[in-house]
Amino acid sequence: EIVLTQSPGTLSLSPGERATLSCRASQSVSSYLAWYQQKPGQAPRLLIYGASSRATGIPDRFSGSGSGTDFTLTISRLEPEDFAVYYCHQYDSSPRTFGQGTKVEIK
Amino acid sequence: EVQLVQSGAEVKKPGESLKISCKGSGYSFSSYWIGWVRQMPGKGLEWMGIIYPGDSDTRYSPSFQGQVTISADKSISTAYLQWSSLKASDTAMYYCARHGVGAILTTWFDPWGQGTLVTVSS
Repeated sequence: EIVLTQSPGTLSLSPGERATLSCRASQSVSSYLAWYQQKPGQAPRLLIYGASSRATGIPDRFSGSGSGTDFTLTISRLEPEDFAVYYCHQYDSSPRTFGQGTKVEIK
Repeated sequence: EVQLVQSGAEVKKPGESLKISCKGSGYSFSSYWIGWVRQMPGKGLEWMGIIYPGDSDTRYSPSFQGQVTISADKSISTAYLQWSSLKASDTAMYYCARHGVGAILTTWFDPWGQGTLVTVSS
């Protein structure tokens, strides 16, 4: 089973700042990696698929990069609605797995 | 609009059985894999398994194999997650989610259902 390790666990930032979230895989997942955003009481929402492709309707302040074992989700300028938990997800091999999540909180 | 609508919250006792549902609309239900994801209280997401409604091909995570049953009825565009004997540790939110690309195994989840909260308590 591929283990995804997200860092940091919590990111404390102010609106307007840049957020950089990391996801590291225990073995290569090529570009088969997605990022989701989850707000309290809501289902996860797809942000990025294929490591770097934005899902429909996702603002361009969200960007993804990486391949193989190291991936990054960047939020260029945090908006108030971006404070949430973010999960990475590999769909390269079975069983599919998720990272443990990074919480982006208001500083 | 592609939509997944899940059945309502459930409160059950240990040892009871349960079947929750996920109804798809706005797309060809038979042609996309649908998966189930568990989220225990205050915790992260866990991939449980997927089913292809077209032929009922089902894949389970080893962590959930034998603990739950995933099924689908393509005639009514509905997928199911079932337990034969619930435990307190099954208390969680359960999400269904569709694969992003039809008939392809190596894709992301999009969209997601709203979730079904299952509470198991004596």
